[in-house]
Amino acid sequence: EAEVAQSPRYKITEKSQAVAFWCDPISGHATLYWYRQILGQGPELLVQFQDESVVDDSQLPKDRFSAERLKGVDSTLKIQPAELGDSAMYLCASSPQGYEQYFGPGTRLTVT
Amino acid sequence: GQQLNQSPQSMFIQEGEDVSMNCTSSSIFNTWLWYKQEPGEGPVLLIALYKAGELTSNGRLTAQFGITRKDSFLNISASIPSDVGIYFCAGPHNNDMRFGAGTRLTVKP
Repeated sequence: EAEVAQSPRYKITEKSQAVAFWCDPISGHATLYWYRQILGQGPELLVQFQDESVVDDSQLPKDRFSAERLKGVDSTLKIQPAELGDSAMYLCASSPQGYEQYFGPGTRLTVT
Repeated sequence: GQQLNQSPQSMFIQEGEDVSMNCTSSSIFNTWLWYKQEPGEGPVLLIALYKAGELTSNGRLTAQFGITRKDSFLNISASIPSDVGIYFCAGPHNNDMRFGAGTRLTVKP
């Protein structure tokens, strides 16, 4: 069964450092999403791509966060510089069409 | 942003019991989704609902799209220990997917 791949699964970084997460969606899924999930809460959308184009990044803190999906397949989310409040689970999801999204296992980020 | 309110926040039940949880909003949703998340993993899609009044089952899980389109319900029959996890409702709002805060289910053997 096809799955969304994410790496790394866990990342510990010091504040002010740069950190990057990678996501490989299910093959053929045109839409890709990055979410942030704080412990005890539901996921919150950061950015949505349709192929290589950003559809919605209204909730992305653009002073420190950036996301790209250059060839419309895999995607990278970067944080620079990381802050203590960025500690969270970062989830990637993909969708073939419609609203059914399939999530990867996530990257657990701890900023110290 | 538009909030989805889930209740209860947590449930502690005995294996074999049935479970009911719900999700409400002050706005109308045209799609309701139910996900389950286990510790350290991403959410897994359980059921998708697209029509008011729709009742859909997936094994022991049954979900309903409320007729007012402002709520949805998830029922689990004859719970088993592997049902443990956090159950999230979600729905699209202004092209954003919104998630509730989840219902945490604990099943005691």
